[in-house]
Amino acid sequence: EVQLVESGGGLVQPGRSLRLSCAASGFRFENYVMHWVRQAPGKGLEWVSIISATGGYLSYADSVKGRFTISRDNAKNSLYLQMDSLRPDDTAFYYCARPHSGGWGPFQYWGQGALVTVSS
Amino acid sequence: EIVLTQSPGTLSLSPGERATLSCRASQTVTSTYLAWYQQKPGQAPRLLIYDISTRATGIPDRFSGSGSATDFTLTISRLEPEDFAVYYCQQYGTSPLTFGGGTKVEIK
Repeated sequence: EVQLVESGGGLVQPGRSLRLSCAASGFRFENYVMHWVRQAPGKGLEWVSIISATGGYLSYADSVKGRFTISRDNAKNSLYLQMDSLRPDDTAFYYCARPHSGGWGPFQYWGQGALVTVSS
Repeated sequence: EIVLTQSPGTLSLSPGERATLSCRASQTVTSTYLAWYQQKPGQAPRLLIYDISTRATGIPDRFSGSGSATDFTLTISRLEPEDFAVYYCQQYGTSPLTFGGGTKVEIK
């Protein structure tokens, strides 16, 4: 069974950093592109970032470019999101997501989400 | 960036009725890379339809997708009580990947 479990969320002050992790199991992690998607409370979905299976290709939404860094450790079956210079509008549930097959999407599997609250 | 506009924002219907949800793209979606998701409160989104019209594993056949280029539709033929939720379209062919703003299907 495919499982994605996020961790690392919490309350953080504006301007500070936070690192999210996503532990994957039930599939060959090193074969799949992975994504981060976020959702502000009561709002819609926003794609955040993508990383290729090997980690050689990265892309970001304009709203987080230059502040967030996606990475992965295939030996540990883990995906990460380093979030720096956090702003109140980064407050959201952050989901890791795995595509249906070998391409970029669609997103067949989702984690349960990690809540990040940016507030003083 | 491909902007996806969903309409209506809210759809008020009764169980057993037909629901028709629209998703319009600001430019042609690459290939057939258009998906639909269902989200219920407190849950992660669930993939319903991908490649415009292919149902994901385990999705009942009352859900169907259609469309091309810039205009897409999700149809729920007969609403069941568990279908009242928020629905999002997504294009996954062009970076940045984008989602529509969502349509809430509520009980009338």
